[in-house]
This record gives sequence, structure tokens and C-alpha cells, in this order.
Amino acid sequence: EDQVTQSPEALRLQEGESSSLNCSYTVSGLRGLFWYRQDPGKGPEFLFTLYSAGEEKEKERLKATLTKKESFLHITAPKPEDSATYLCAVPPPQGGSEKLVFGKGTKLTVNP
Amino acid sequence: GAGVSQSPSNKVTEKGKDVELRCDPISGHTALYWYRQSLGQGLEFLIYFQGNSAPDKSGLPSDRFSAERTGGSVSTLTIQRTQQEDSAVYLCASSGGLNQPQHFGDGTRLSIL
Repeated sequence: EDQVTQSPEALRLQEGESSSLNCSYTVSGLRGLFWYRQDPGKGPEFLFTLYSAGEEKEKERLKATLTKKESFLHITAPKPEDSATYLCAVPPPQGGSEKLVFGKGTKLTVNP
Repeated sequence: GAGVSQSPSNKVTEKGKDVELRCDPISGHTALYWYRQSLGQGLEFLIYFQGNSAPDKSGLPSDRFSAERTGGSVSTLTIQRTQQEDSAVYLCASSGGLNQPQHFGDGTRLSIL
């Protein structure tokens, strides 16, 4: 059973057109939710960690929020350089491994 | 170094050959992870090291896959008798502790002919 589901799979935006990416999770006893950005041919680049419902983190045009069931990555007035695949991930419940379980990602394309 | 370093960046080999992939984690990071990313697939966990021990190797797909870590630093992932389905990008990550972010290298792109 998938623990992390991301939607949409792909998203095309015009420069300046704000939107949100969704990450829903089913793991109980959340020990953190991690957002990454991955460019083609590169490894994932860490963006944010969220630990508790209601928490928000911001970085430039990105803001990540967390509820008890899902996380959103809000992109405000995106630029072409924001084009990438955005991944979210969670560790298994307490007592499990320290590995991360990743969603399949949202491929974002921002057109000029 | 400043980040996680992986080598080689690309590897092309013939089916049936053995390959070794290397990972140099961020200095001081005690935890090290190997993942695999296939075309159109998400990141798939392979193995996790804490120091030189591997508390979780549940993701290794078969006994052809093995990994070791020495001196609490460098790790090597070995694939014996490679198969075409082993073609993927192999990513290494390291972190500084429990629930801390994992930082990734740029991976080794492995192609099996």
C-alpha cells in the first residue's frame, strides 16, 4: 500500500501563475515530511522538513504546509527556473527504519 | 567535501559483469543510504547504514546486491552478475542524525547492455 501519493503527476504553468502541489500520506505517527526538488540528471535537493500539523516553511517563491493527512507545496508567481520534479517523502512509523518512502513526484514545467 | 560525492557518474557494462559504485558522504554524517531510481519510477530504498552497521537492508532486491561501509565514511554498493533490469540511477544520501534531512549525491547512472 502506497504511503505517499503526490498529485498531479505533471503540471504546466505560465510564468507568474501560482498553484499548489499535493502530497498525501497514510503513515501514522508522522516523524517528519520532507520536500525535495530534483532537476534532470541530478540528485534530489532538500527543500523543507515539516514535523507537525499547522507548521509552515517558506523559501523564496515556495511555501510548504502540513495537515494531519497531507502537505501542500505552494508556488507563488513561479519562474521558468522553478521547473523541476518535486518530491515528498516520509520515514516509516517509529521503530521502523530511518529510510525515506518517496512519492512518485510532480513534474512542474513553468513556461515563460 | 561539501556535499555527497558519488563515482563513477556513469557506468556502462555488459550483462553478467560485476560493478562497484562508490559513495563519499558529507563529513561527519553518521547515517548513509542507498536508493535506486528507475525510469518512470520513484526512488526505491535499498539499504541504510548507521556507522558501519546496516540496520535495514530490506530494500536490496536480490542476493546479487551487497553494500558495505568502512570507517563510518565511504560506502560501496556492489552488484554481481548484472542483469538488464539493474539499469537505473543509483543514489546515495547521508544525514546527520535521527529525523534529519537526507542530502543526496547526483547518482551513478548504470546501464547494462
